[in-house]
Amino acid sequence: QSVLTQPPSVSAAPGQKVTISCSGSSSNIGNNYVSWYQQLPGTAPKLLIYENNKRPSGIPDRFSGSKSGTSATLGITGLQTGDEADYYCGTWDSSLSAGGVFGGGTKLTVL
Amino acid sequence: QVQLVQSGAEVKKPGASVKVSCKASGYTFTSYGISWVRQAPGQGLEWMGWISAYNGNTNYAQKLQGRVTMTTDTSTSTAYMELRSLRSDDTAVYYCARENYYGSGEWGYWGQGTLVTVSS
Repeated sequence: QSVLTQPPSVSAAPGQKVTISCSGSSSNIGNNYVSWYQQLPGTAPKLLIYENNKRPSGIPDRFSGSKSGTSATLGITGLQTGDEADYYCGTWDSSLSAGGVFGGGTKLTVL
Repeated sequence: QVQLVQSGAEVKKPGASVKVSCKASGYTFTSYGISWVRQAPGQGLEWMGWISAYNGNTNYAQKLQGRVTMTTDTSTSTAYMELRSLRSDDTAVYYCARENYYGSGEWGYWGQGTLVTVSS
């Protein structure tokens, strides 16, 4: 059972747009930055978005992030077959048992 | 460029211990902390804990307290994660990841992963 809640799967056609939601609480998303990761099959996660909506160098602007209250959203436009992957949100939880927390992951299928 | 290179796959029996290494290069090792994250087969990411490469301070996930120890060797820019009293549900790929700063919830660079299999 993950601390952050994501939909298990989303799908869309090539060229379309998709959004992935990530829901948490005041102790994590509500008071900390959110980051997003892409994990291609058999590889390590890769940082896509940090500090809610910033992209590391080399990440195309097709990827975007936003946060409102205790929820965050990853958006991907102009879907490509190479975007098929698992996507995870992550943040810090500032509760008594402080530490990093992740969502359960969302499998993106590009139909 | 920043690189984190981990040690190779391990097979352990229940009750044994495993120690995974993570050698960093391409940046000043003591300027960042290292988190360890694991992923059981077909499952999501689980944060295990964090260590400061500057002073060795640690913060472990509550469920692993008492079984996990994270250390660093600044002379070789290497971080280590030791997990004891292994159980079958510890079978996972273990990743080290550089955390931007403690509590940032942002892991910008990841090792390639080390598969640890616990089986009798």
